[in-house]
Amino acid sequence: KAGVTQTPRYLIKTRGQQVTLSCSPISGHRSVSWYQQTPGQGLQFLFEYFSETQRNKGNFPGRFSGRQFSNSRSEMNVSTLELGDSALYLCASSLEGAGKETQYFGPGTRLLVL
Amino acid sequence: AQKITQTQPGMFVQEKEAVTLDCTYDTSDPSYGLFWYKQPSSGEMIFLIYQGSYDQQNATEGRYSLNFQKARKSANLVISASQLGDSAMYFCAMRDPRVSAGGTSYGKLTFGQGTILTVHP
Repeated sequence: KAGVTQTPRYLIKTRGQQVTLSCSPISGHRSVSWYQQTPGQGLQFLFEYFSETQRNKGNFPGRFSGRQFSNSRSEMNVSTLELGDSALYLCASSLEGAGKETQYFGPGTRLLVL
Repeated sequence: AQKITQTQPGMFVQEKEAVTLDCTYDTSDPSYGLFWYKQPSSGEMIFLIYQGSYDQQNATEGRYSLNFQKARKSANLVISASQLGDSAMYFCAMRDPRVSAGGTSYGKLTFGQGTILTVHP
């Protein structure tokens, strides 16, 4: 079974631009979560989607948004990019996002904002 | 609020020896799950092992085992017979046990700061 895939793997943008990252979960998984990883803040939860609905959200400004499609694929969007948005963005999927379920991560998208 | 603490920024171990990576957690919820992930320099987070708060036995997965001490709120990862390929960043994480109306729990993972493990030949 194919793992979680994320595209693109690397991205360079300039301040003020916007960016869209894509995540395809493991087949059959309906829960998709997004995390931001930076050297200073570590791994921080952005949001979680299940059946096209956002069910959980981290403490990030409204510039960070996401959505999930009927096939469980998810996208996250960052508008008006800031230098501090440079990070590794990780997507994770699980069956229902519940209890004992493990979240399986993709390879991440490395975003550099200049 | 949940909190995960990994107090070892870096650890060194000789190949074929065992190593313990520390993790302590803080939560007021009786039901929670603890995970360990490995992150090589490539960036991908690789799931290693899971321990549920109500599990009676310590979890084991191949060379990985979890030393779960509930009263001390610690969940240390033990890697036996270290290999050069074990060199990576290791993260301890806890699942937020938010409960939905349906009775199932879901939620985000809260991560510790990580421990960089270096295996020497």
